[in-house]
Amino acid sequence: SQQGEEDPQALSIQEGENATMNCSYKTSINNLQWYRQNSGRGLVHLILIRSNEREKHSGRLRVTLDTSKKSSSLLITASRAADTASYFCATVSPSGYALNFGKGTSLLVTP
Amino acid sequence: GAVVSQHPSRVICKSGTSVKIECRSLDFQATTMFWYRQFPKQSLMLMATSNEGSKATYEQGVEKDKFLINHASLTLSTLTVTSAHPEDSSFYICSARDTRGEGTQYFGPGTRLTVL
Repeated sequence: SQQGEEDPQALSIQEGENATMNCSYKTSINNLQWYRQNSGRGLVHLILIRSNEREKHSGRLRVTLDTSKKSSSLLITASRAADTASYFCATVSPSGYALNFGKGTSLLVTP
Repeated sequence: GAVVSQHPSRVICKSGTSVKIECRSLDFQATTMFWYRQFPKQSLMLMATSNEGSKATYEQGVEKDKFLINHASLTLSTLTVTSAHPEDSSFYICSARDTRGEGTQYFGPGTRLTVL
């Protein structure tokens, strides 16, 4: 069953602007991961944040995790047209390895 | 990062035929692989967990006799859609869990199945 809910569902920004996507989940987690998917393609792993971490950076990506609120955010700074894609958060429960995906945010970055 | 391949990338078949999709981890061993299904503009839905050397674990509502999974080696899992019907048309994506490090899952590029 789907675990996470991302918002917004769709986001349109101009190149150079920052894009923020949020994800909420319902149950306990081992870690939370963010993935990117270009239209009709497979998923690319972006970043993993463990349940005992609060913030993590990777290049232009910044992820936060608030386990008390059961929420996470993904910030893409200085966006580029090539960042246009769907972004999904996925959680892993403490008891298993399977990923439970949120509904995703569709990001459009216009030149 | 690690590489996972899927074959074929696209398949069109007639109703009633069976289709086999392969998922391979190319540069790491994966005791656990996962099969997902994705409808247009929707998220991924986990179908089953494939364990090397044992039976797959299916999610609720997924027919195990319809979607046969075999994980015969540490680098290969196969999904066979038996007696396919138009409603089985979808994008099927596999992932393989890399047990090294943090256990990140790496995804294949997906297989677009169209059943006529």
